[in-house]
Amino acid sequence: DTGVSQNPRHKITKRGQNVTFRCDPISEHNRLYWYRQTLGQGPEFLTYFQNEAQLEKSRLLSDRFSAERPKGSFSTLEIQRTEQGDSAMYLCASSITTRTFFGQGTRLTVV
Amino acid sequence: SQQGEEDPQALSIQEGENATMNCSYKTSINNLQWYRQNSGRGLVHLILIRSNEREKHSGRLRVTLDTSKKSSSLLITASRAADTASYFCATDEADSGGGADGLTFGKGTHLIIQP
Repeated sequence: DTGVSQNPRHKITKRGQNVTFRCDPISEHNRLYWYRQTLGQGPEFLTYFQNEAQLEKSRLLSDRFSAERPKGSFSTLEIQRTEQGDSAMYLCASSITTRTFFGQGTRLTVV
Repeated sequence: SQQGEEDPQALSIQEGENATMNCSYKTSINNLQWYRQNSGRGLVHLILIRSNEREKHSGRLRVTLDTSKKSSSLLITASRAADTASYFCATDEADSGGGADGLTFGKGTHLIIQP
């Protein structure tokens, strides 16, 4: 499978715990994006990497959120001290030109 | 914040009929993309139309773009039960610095194809 891969697919965590998600983009795609999608809404942009450089962060990305792409390949998104409002689908996407490809997402439930 | 609105929010038609969904947006764009999302799954890229294009076809899909009205439409012809999904338009805003702000999505149209 050469698409965008996300792990885990589902995560249930207790409020206050830290969680980390992984995204493996399509190989050779230099652009990588993270989005968050809540029920009944479209995805909302969180952050963008070009290669290993994080070039843009949405104001949705509070201090509890951090993303890395250490070698310009896979990326991780960490949420510290999770809150119930963090419950959502976290989508990763990659692109090399204008067309953007999405992964299956990680569904986070904070209880 | 979300760029635009899809219209209608929900659409239910009989298999074999055509389905038309509309999308409006607010700012100048480089391109507009349509995606499909099955319940609880990721987004599947359907078609991209650039700001200098007015119409594009891909299989049973036809997309139009009217930049003067800041609107786009997606037509699915000869609908099938498997087309049941949510459909989103997403814009690449013209002042986004080459993709740095990502895509801006609407809330989607939930399409139900009844067999």
